[in-house]
Amino acid sequence: RKEVEQDPGPFNVPEGATVAFNCTYSNSASQSFFWYRQDCRKEPKLLMSVYSSGNEDGRFTAQLSRASQYISLLIRDSKLSDSATYLCVVNILYLPGSQGNLIFGKGTKLSVKP
Amino acid sequence: NAGVTQTPKFQVLKTGQSMTLQCAQDMNHNSMYWYRQDPGMGLRLIYYSASEGTTDKGEVPNGYNVSRLNKREFSLRLESAAPSQTSVYFCASSYSGTGELFFGEGSRLTVL
Repeated sequence: RKEVEQDPGPFNVPEGATVAFNCTYSNSASQSFFWYRQDCRKEPKLLMSVYSSGNEDGRFTAQLSRASQYISLLIRDSKLSDSATYLCVVNILYLPGSQGNLIFGKGTKLSVKP
Repeated sequence: NAGVTQTPKFQVLKTGQSMTLQCAQDMNHNSMYWYRQDPGMGLRLIYYSASEGTTDKGEVPNGYNVSRLNKREFSLRLESAAPSQTSVYFCASSYSGTGELFFGEGSRLTVL
């Protein structure tokens, strides 16, 4: 089982739709969680951190379930400018071997259509 | 606000040639990283440096070397480029290595 798994999509939705992305992680020692956004041919940028109590930033809501080892991102009233790939990132304080602290999912591609 | 600067942005190499990707950050961050991104593979960590003077292997270190020249700069060297190293390379930095990474714009490398 991969460390961080995401549905690759693409998710094709009309403007104004609500869309949800899911992410599961396998290492119970995971400590912190993030969603990054990557536009086509650009670098990833932090979208939001994910807190245990859930958090909201405008149209974006992130949820975490440590029991289910599951993270979600909800986008309400989607805009054309939301079209991008959304990367789930998990920070593990200790990893055996040589991976460092941060594990990236492969990303979920979102395309918002007029 | 420069953030993380990578050079070059594009490079074409022949098999066996060598090159160095340069990365510099002006945010006084302790940790620096080199990732590669390939279609369908996501971001994979090549090497990282948790602090000045230290470097560690990531998930895919073979064929690469790194140097943490000082706190600002972290370079990635391909000694003998192979077609399998065709990829987009991203340098990133963070203050504490706990999750918020700042990425450079990427370097697109093609090895023929």
